[in-house]
Order: sequence, then C-alpha cells, then structure tokens
Amino acid sequence: DAGITQSPRYKITETGRQVTLMCHQTWSHSYMFWYRQDLGHGLRLIYYSAAADITDKGEVPDGYVVSRSKTENFPLTLESATRSQTSVYFCASSPEGGVFQETQYFGPGTRLLVL
Amino acid sequence: GQQVMQIPQYQHVQEGEDFTTYCNSSTTLSNIQWYKQRPGGHPVFLIQLVKSGEVKKQKRLTFQFGEAKKNSSLHITATQTTDVGTYFCAGRGGSEKLVFGKGTKLTVNP
Repeated sequence: DAGITQSPRYKITETGRQVTLMCHQTWSHSYMFWYRQDLGHGLRLIYYSAAADITDKGEVPDGYVVSRSKTENFPLTLESATRSQTSVYFCASSPEGGVFQETQYFGPGTRLLVL
Repeated sequence: GQQVMQIPQYQHVQEGEDFTTYCNSSTTLSNIQWYKQRPGGHPVFLIQLVKSGEVKKQKRLTFQFGEAKKNSSLHITATQTTDVGTYFCAGRGGSEKLVFGKGTKLTVNP
C-alpha cells in the first residue's frame, strides 16, 4: 500500500532552470492538489485537479504549470525557477472534493532550494 | 475570497498544561477539518466536523464547531511531548477548494 509518494524528496536547483516535482498516488483518488508551505504562510494551494485532464488554479499559481494525463500522476513544473520558489511542496489527494469534502491525504513533501 | 484565520501562531506550554487553538472564518463553512503536522513531517488528518455546534473527542483532544459554523477550536488536555507539532484547521465555504489556516505551532517543555 504505497499511498501517495513524491519525488524527489530534496532538490537543489539554480535560478532559471526548469524543475519538475512528481506526485503519484495508488488509491485512484479523483482529486489531487499541490501546496507550498512557507514559514508564516501555512499551506497555500498552487493548483488542483478534479480528474484526469481537469486542472484549476489555486491561490498562488504564477510560475507553475501542472498536467494530469493519468489519474494517478500529478506533476508540478516550475518553468523558470526563482529564489522565491524555495519552499516545501506537498502533494495531496482526496477521494472527492465536492460537497461532502473528504479527507486530504498528503505526501511526504519535496524540499526545494533555488539558488 | 474566503479566509481562515488561526490563533495563536505559536504556543509554548509545560507538559501537563492544557492547550487551545482557535480557527475563524470570514464566511460560513460547510465543514471544517483539523490536521496535525509533526516537525519535519507532512500534515495528517485528525477529524472533520460538519454540524453546527458539533463537539467531538479523541482521547485528550476536543474539537468544537461553532453554532454559526464560522469558528472552531481544538483543545488538548494535559499536553504530552508527543503533542508537539503544528495544528492546522481547514475549511470550505462556497467553493470546492479547502482553505487552510496558517497553523498553530505547539511546543511542549518536558
């Protein structure tokens, strides 16, 4: 029972480089989410997806791109990394995200440092 | 847009003391969830409250949802060192997006 995994767990990159963070879940959950966590800001939603090929912006989407060609994968790409994108990134999934809003299950996180 | 405020931001207690964190929303919530994040870990779901005035208990933890469904609290009785971590509330108003509070970081002095 792998649950939800993220890779890499740690990443150091340089300003201007493209970086892709991977998220994979084995539960066939409909909803998937990307959050970033920074001191003093809590968890901020970057993008979410209600199903394969359906994505929508969250609170802080600028500088990020997502795709969801398969239900189990939800990669997050930083097109041109900036130092302000240094953060801890969490992927989460949920069986449903609608009216009866289910629990969100979080991955272990990716710690990204942009130099 | 919907905002969820959580106070205090930090709380330091002696082991055995009680602890409470409060969550307030700018809009009426359909439900509210609470998560715990241990240092270096990821958020883990604790509980969900749905009904107005609902109170739920998990051992030493008591969760309340306000009558107007705009506020909630988490109370820990007789804290232990295992309670250390950051506690987040998260609620949803009219949209399908869950909005998290900024969390309360609890430290416990043994």
